[in-house]
Amino acid sequence: GAVVSQHPSWVICKSGTSVKIECRSLDFQATTMFWYRQFPKQSLMLMATSNEGSKATYEQGVEKDKFLINHASLTLSTLTVTSAHPEDSSFYICSARLRGGSSYNEQFFGPGTRLTVL
Amino acid sequence: RKEVEQDPGPFNVPEGATVAFNCTYSNSASQSFFWYRQDCRKEPKLLMSVYSSGNEDGRFTAQLNRASQYISLLIRDSKLSDSATYLCVVNIDYPGGGADGLTFGKGTHLIIQP
Repeated sequence: GAVVSQHPSWVICKSGTSVKIECRSLDFQATTMFWYRQFPKQSLMLMATSNEGSKATYEQGVEKDKFLINHASLTLSTLTVTSAHPEDSSFYICSARLRGGSSYNEQFFGPGTRLTVL
Repeated sequence: RKEVEQDPGPFNVPEGATVAFNCTYSNSASQSFFWYRQDCRKEPKLLMSVYSSGNEDGRFTAQLNRASQYISLLIRDSKLSDSATYLCVVNIDYPGGGADGLTFGKGTHLIIQP
């Protein structure tokens, strides 16, 4: 149980295009999903917290107009990188917190999406 | 000051050896602690939660010292398959069940040699 999927697993796009990444919890409901980004040899950095039915909360330094997040249901959150540029190339990973989960706040991670912007 | 600090390694140890990783965190409000394992170009996977009393899962033992804001992971009888990057992770649990994202250390790279 507690499987999270991401689609696509990798994408290559031209500079200036927009890319949408989907994150789904397959066998559980997730009121909260998180989007992280990881550059090579760096730690995962939280970009934003996505709450079902409400606006996402963005971390300092993350542009909300560039990284659009939609969490329309308890099993799906999407991240759209608008007008992508080469510096946006990174490994984007989502995670989902189990609804009604333990106080230890375990999160389940998707397999990640590797974005390369040419 | 970094929120979660780890020695990046790499740690090169022979198969069968015991290896220990340490981690310190800066936010005293941190309440949940984890060790994750991340293989190259893959997502992190939960290895174990870390409890105040310390906990063991097979060959893995985790310890937490809240006073020193220090977390450790001990791997006994290391296997080749233990080669990976080990991430120290903390979280602040808010009252009412609100969730915050996890804060990751950069990870410690472990290489088990045959």
